[in-house]
Amino acid sequence: DVKVTQSSRYLVKRTGEKVFLECVQDMDHENMFWYRQDPGLGLRLIYFSYDVKMKEKGDIPEGYSVSREKKERFSLILESASTNQTSMYLCASSSGGTSGNEQFFGPGTRLTVL
Amino acid sequence: DAKTTQPPSMDCAEGRAANLPCNHSTISGNEYVYWYRQIHSQGPQYIIHGLKNNETNEMASLIITEDRKSSTLILPHATLRDTAVYYCIVRVVIDSNYQLIWGAGTKLIIKP
Repeated sequence: DVKVTQSSRYLVKRTGEKVFLECVQDMDHENMFWYRQDPGLGLRLIYFSYDVKMKEKGDIPEGYSVSREKKERFSLILESASTNQTSMYLCASSSGGTSGNEQFFGPGTRLTVL
Repeated sequence: DAKTTQPPSMDCAEGRAANLPCNHSTISGNEYVYWYRQIHSQGPQYIIHGLKNNETNEMASLIITEDRKSSTLILPHATLRDTAVYYCIVRVVIDSNYQLIWGAGTKLIIKP
């Protein structure tokens, strides 16, 4: 089975802290994605990557950065966490060079910023 | 902005077919319709996708109208484990990359 794992299920941080969310997939997928999910809004794309060291902005990249040094790992970084970044963060991966195939999701990280 | 409209919630009796509607009146000719579901406390799970023709797999059937402005996901024999939020999604092309545009979804509750 395809497996996408995220480093934490729950995380509590303070305003201004630097936060790292890690995602690892074991299916040798080219594409990886970071979404945030807020009540009533569905999933919103933050950043995605279709190759190592490549990244593309999604719909809401402000306040976030990403890193993809290895194919299996995609990290989301909050440089200075703010309370409006309290949310559920979901990582996904898919095969194919243009990210058009089925996306496999991790279980999510619920981040609370105090 | 979401390109799909779904009812916020629906009920269905266990063992009956669950029919989940979705409107996507502004869909373009090359944009696919995808369905995912999210069971509580889990990440979304892919169900099915289609362009023009009706599609069926082991989980569900997808019926797309001829004008492609709406579709229906059918779970033929709903079980309690099908209780979840179901997302109807349009896949668009932005700067040569595919992206899924998610809406708010339909919360489907299967009742015994």
